[in-house]
Amino acid sequence: GQQVMQIPQYQHVQEGEDFTTYCNSSTTLSNIQWYKQRPGGHPVFLIQLVKSGEVKKQKRLTFQFGEAKKNSSLHITATQTTDVGTYFCAGRVRDYKLSFGAGTTVTVRA
Amino acid sequence: DSGVTQTPKHLITATGQRVTLRCSPRSGDLSVYWYQQSLDQGLQFLIQYYNGEERAKGNILERFSAQQFPDLHSELNLSSLELGDSALYFCASSKDSGYMDTQYFGPGTRLTVL
Repeated sequence: GQQVMQIPQYQHVQEGEDFTTYCNSSTTLSNIQWYKQRPGGHPVFLIQLVKSGEVKKQKRLTFQFGEAKKNSSLHITATQTTDVGTYFCAGRVRDYKLSFGAGTTVTVRA
Repeated sequence: DSGVTQTPKHLITATGQRVTLRCSPRSGDLSVYWYQQSLDQGLQFLIQYYNGEERAKGNILERFSAQQFPDLHSELNLSSLELGDSALYFCASSKDSGYMDTQYFGPGTRLTVL
């Protein structure tokens, strides 16, 4: 079955530094979504990517969908303490199920 | 606040027991999804309902069942509980069921099986 792999599992970042989390699928995806879960909270939708090679930005967050639509990345610049949490990618083939990656848990050193 | 409500927030029970988790979707949303999140685990999709009908099934155990009622709220029933069923159970809702839909998650129910 379809699997979405996400790396790294943990990311410890110095405040102000950049980091990237990666998402890879064994099959071509129709779209990919990114969610953020703050500690003790619930997943919150961030963005959806649909087109091959698509790049979208939200302030310091840059999301990219690979040309083959099998991978995606989230790059955060100038990390802040408010970026703490777990970032999940979720890929969908042409059915109703979102397949979530295991998440990247981000901690920030002030 | 996503607009999705889940009750109860916490549930503590014993092995072998049966519990029911409840979810009310956002106003206007027809789809309800159930997920399980264990410690240090990602989100495991359990089941989806759309307008009262089962639409998709994930890794849901036979001991678990769900339904969506005419008023669109949903219940997840967990029976013959085992220690390993301890987890956060999230409900999410979306407007339709298409592959472009985004999901809005509720605050979750934390189940502890002793």
